[in-house]
Amino acid sequence: SQTIHQWPATLVQPVGSPLSLECTVEGTSNPNLYWYRQAAGRGLQLLFYSVGIGQISSEVPQNLSASRPQDRQFILSSKKLLLSDSGFYLCAWARTVSNEQYFGPGTRLTVT
Amino acid sequence: KQEVTQIPAALSVPEGENLVLNCSFTDSAIYNLQWFRQDPGKGLTSLLLIQSSQREQTSGRLNASLDKSSGRSTLYIAASQPGDSATYLCALGDSGYALNFGKGTSLLVTP
Repeated sequence: SQTIHQWPATLVQPVGSPLSLECTVEGTSNPNLYWYRQAAGRGLQLLFYSVGIGQISSEVPQNLSASRPQDRQFILSSKKLLLSDSGFYLCAWARTVSNEQYFGPGTRLTVT
Repeated sequence: KQEVTQIPAALSVPEGENLVLNCSFTDSAIYNLQWFRQDPGKGLTSLLLIQSSQREQTSGRLNASLDKSSGRSTLYIAASQPGDSATYLCALGDSGYALNFGKGTSLLVTP
């Protein structure tokens, strides 16, 4: 069966500090991978998606970047965090673009 | 742009009651619709996936329907239990890669 992991589970970082969140998927190959953000009182917003190694697409302009160094690894980064980057970050995978998406446990990021 | 609305925003019911959660959307050109459950501080758990060619899907006490012509989906929960308390989200997949999410319905089932 497939499993998706995210770490860390929670993170408190000062404004201006760097960020690295990691997501890995087990039990499948060549998945579509997604980063979403869930801000308080707002719906989930897609930040990045990837259909293969090194292939990253951004849905919204922002202070964040993503990378996919391996088939089942997806990383969300920032060089300098802003207060507005606070939120709940969720990684998801799917077999294809029209298939069911499965979400990880999430990372709660608080920028102080 | 697809707009997804979930009504009601919050719902409280006594244990054992059958209930319906509603999801409406503005663009019927969808690939699929997913219902998720989210417990406080946790990730999303996929409950049901309905492809655009399907009318409904069932899993245990859950039944989800899809009516593209009217832009509506419902999630029916039979014989509700306190463990069903959570936020329920509907999400639509269309020609883009993103799922378009509603803001959810917060359900509380009281013993």
